[in-house]
Amino acid sequence: DARVTQTPRHKVTEMGQEVTMRCQPILGHNTVFWYRQTMMQGLELLAYFRNRAPLDDSGMPKDRFSAEMPDATLATLKIQPSEPRDSAVYFCASGPGTGGDEKLFFGSGTQLSVL
Amino acid sequence: SQQGEEDPQALSIQEGENATMNCSYKTSINNLQWYRQNSGRGLVHLILIRSNEREKHSGRLRVTLDTSKKSSSLLITASRAADTASYFCATRTTDSWGKFQFGAGTQVVVTP
Repeated sequence: DARVTQTPRHKVTEMGQEVTMRCQPILGHNTVFWYRQTMMQGLELLAYFRNRAPLDDSGMPKDRFSAEMPDATLATLKIQPSEPRDSAVYFCASGPGTGGDEKLFFGSGTQLSVL
Repeated sequence: SQQGEEDPQALSIQEGENATMNCSYKTSINNLQWYRQNSGRGLVHLILIRSNEREKHSGRLRVTLDTSKKSSSLLITASRAADTASYFCATRTTDSWGKFQFGAGTQVVVTP
């Protein structure tokens, strides 16, 4: 049963620490999205990759956030240094890259709490 | 502001009743999709409607799309307690990036 895997599921850290979130997209999928979900802002698009190349990271605070795809099976989202306002659920989603009718498959998310 | 905006923000109904929620968007789209999110879980795709379609059905789901009004509606018929979840519309922009953008969601509670 193919699924998007995110680790860790929960992360509690102190302000100023580095946080790394990982995502394993569904095998064969070539688009990867990172979203952040909060009660106030809803789902915010942070970054978007196609064939491992970053296409859009305009929604991501560049001074502290970075997103990469070291290979086709791994996407990472890093926050350094973390701040309390980064507390949220971070979702990774992948898609088969089938063009306009593509639908996304979401992981279960990483719930991040920055104290 | 977000591309898609759902209305209402929250909906509480009894089992067996129908649930209707609406989504409005701002720019031209290739298609509009609806997703469901159970508490503490990721989003799950429900149904896709293309920009040249007006209505689509899938089981107890009925989706309409009015591109002239830039709006869509999702109807869940004969609701069940298991339909309790948040429902999001998502639009994909027609520019070269093809970004998926999600609305704020409608929280639906179905009581037995």
